[in-house]
Amino acid sequence: GQQLNQSPQSMFIQEGEDVSMNCTSSSIFNTWLWYKQDPGEGPVLLIALYKAGELTSNGRLTAQFGITRKDSFLNISASIPSDVGIYFCAGQLNYGGSQGNLIFGKGTKLSVKP
Amino acid sequence: ETGVTQTPRHLVMGMTNKKSLKCEQHLGHNAMYWYKQSAKKPLELMFVYNFKEQTENNSVPSRFSPECPNSSHLFLHLHTLQPEDSALYLCASSRPLEVQEQFFGPGTRLTVL
Repeated sequence: GQQLNQSPQSMFIQEGEDVSMNCTSSSIFNTWLWYKQDPGEGPVLLIALYKAGELTSNGRLTAQFGITRKDSFLNISASIPSDVGIYFCAGQLNYGGSQGNLIFGKGTKLSVKP
Repeated sequence: ETGVTQTPRHLVMGMTNKKSLKCEQHLGHNAMYWYKQSAKKPLELMFVYNFKEQTENNSVPSRFSPECPNSSHLFLHLHTLQPEDSALYLCASSRPLEVQEQFFGPGTRLTVL
């Protein structure tokens, strides 16, 4: 089945730093999504992208839908302590008039530098 | 209460026990989902219900039995589980034509001894 490669697997941030993570797939998607999961909680939708090349912001978060439709990235500018958590990408492919299920990446764990 | 709620939040059970997980959504959605989240693995879709009808069973073993009595409630009945079934079980809901905008509950952390 379809798989998403999300990288990096984990990273440490210092307050104020910019953070970048990405997701790639061997097949195309119609929609790319980015979720964040805090400890003890379910994932929360951050940004949804619906068109190849689309660049969308949500506060300090910016995400792009790759032109090839096989990748997406998420940037966090000027990180703050509450940005720690696990970020998941997800792709969706619609076909034959039906909505496909979400395919998730393994996540990027953001932690604070000791 | 708003959003998607799940009970219990934590559950420890033996392999011979029978237990149930409950999910309730207060968002007026008609699609509900069960996912399994294991460490270092992507979220795995288990079941999908649309308007109380099961529309997807992602090759889930029969020891997991879902039930959707109405559009607001979703259950996952568990029996004779294995230790490898230990995971975080997440419920989500969405409007039927907005699969991409799923709202997740906090999950039930299940440990099978």
